[in-house]
Amino acid sequence: NAGVTQTPKFQVLKTGQSMTLQCAQDMNHEYMSWYRQDPGMGLRLIHYSVGAGITDQGEVPNGYNVSRSTTEDFPLRLLSAAPSQTSVYFCASSYQRDTEAFFGQGTRLTVV
Amino acid sequence: KNQVEQSPQSLIILEGKNCTLQCNYTVSPFSNLRWYKQDTGRGPVSLTIMTFSENTKSNGRYTATLDADTKQSSLHITASQLSDSASYICVVILNYQLIWGAGTKLIIKP
Repeated sequence: NAGVTQTPKFQVLKTGQSMTLQCAQDMNHEYMSWYRQDPGMGLRLIHYSVGAGITDQGEVPNGYNVSRSTTEDFPLRLLSAAPSQTSVYFCASSYQRDTEAFFGQGTRLTVV
Repeated sequence: KNQVEQSPQSLIILEGKNCTLQCNYTVSPFSNLRWYKQDTGRGPVSLTIMTFSENTKSNGRYTATLDADTKQSSLHITASQLSDSASYICVVILNYQLIWGAGTKLIIKP
């Protein structure tokens, strides 16, 4: 019973590099989302998807892209990493947008 | 101004003691209010979900209360255990949008 699986768990990037954070869920949830968590702040929504082929921007989308080609997968792409993107990233899924969300274990990203 | 504010920012208590964490919100009305527990290095896990009309909801040793008049919610932990050491986050759902508090970091000492 895997739930929401995120990879990698840790990553260090140099400024300007690009990378993709992977997220997969096996609960057949339609709604998936990406958050970033910074010290002293609440989770902030980056992008979300209400189903395969549909994505939309959240509160802090700049510098990130997403795609949703299947119900299971929702990768987050950093286009050109900046030190301001140093954070912990969480992927979440839920049956609907306002139902209980299940989170992955997070990816701790450091941009130097 | 944050729409969901939690206090205290951090709290240290001895194992076996009770504690209460506070959540003040300005958004209203909302569809539901949730408390999450986040262990260090892990993602948040749902503890309780309350609708606008509910006053209390329990989950084992965790009891959440909601006062819509004062726009406050609290999470009471009874007979704390070492495994309760974590951050506790209050979330208000308004028009399908989740508004997250910054959390209270709770440390249980033996």
